[in-house]
Amino acid sequence: GAVVSQHPSWVICKSGTSVKIECRSLDFQATTMFWYRQFPKQSLMLMATSNEGSKATYEQGVEKDKFLINHASLTLSTLTVTSAHPEDSSFYICSAPGQGYNEQFFGPGTRLTVL
Amino acid sequence: QQPVQSPQAVILREGEDAVINCSSSKALYSVHWYRQKHGEAPVFLMILLKGGEQKGHEKISASFNEKKQQSSLYLTASQLSYSGTYFCGTASYNFNKFYFGSGTKLNVKP
Repeated sequence: GAVVSQHPSWVICKSGTSVKIECRSLDFQATTMFWYRQFPKQSLMLMATSNEGSKATYEQGVEKDKFLINHASLTLSTLTVTSAHPEDSSFYICSAPGQGYNEQFFGPGTRLTVL
Repeated sequence: QQPVQSPQAVILREGEDAVINCSSSKALYSVHWYRQKHGEAPVFLMILLKGGEQKGHEKISASFNEKKQQSSLYLTASQLSYSGTYFCGTASYNFNKFYFGSGTKLNVKP
């Protein structure tokens, strides 16, 4: 099956700093990638849809200037959390639809802790 | 836009059956089912693409009622490994958005 990697697996940072999370499709091309955020004991909430070569589409309530998404190639999308605060601490997961859009392939997730 | 699942949580003894329901206020073009273990990414279980479709793998099956905008996941003779949180997911017609349901936590005990 298709593989999606995420890096880093976890990160601890100080409040006010920026953190970049990478999402890569290893053996297939992904023109679309999704970014989710999951707080403890809650569902995965779609933050934005990342489209290769164009601007990301953000969900209502997600700050575009705070969560910067770049999908510069068919295998890489990045999410940068700018000026992170403790309330941004969460589990961030990316995914990419497979061929035919019949399945999504998930990255292993990145746990962000902001002190 | 997030589908609603019921029940929110269920506790089973090994060998018992469970049904998890997923309802949407919007039209469903497809329904996906995932299971997530704590601290891990969701794992794909199955997808239903057509109204009236039913599908199964081993002792886990699902149905899709397009008219009622509902889907149900059936777990038969549950095993300890079935424990986790189950999510349904729905995609927009062109798959440029994907929303997960509210989740159902399943705990299978010996």
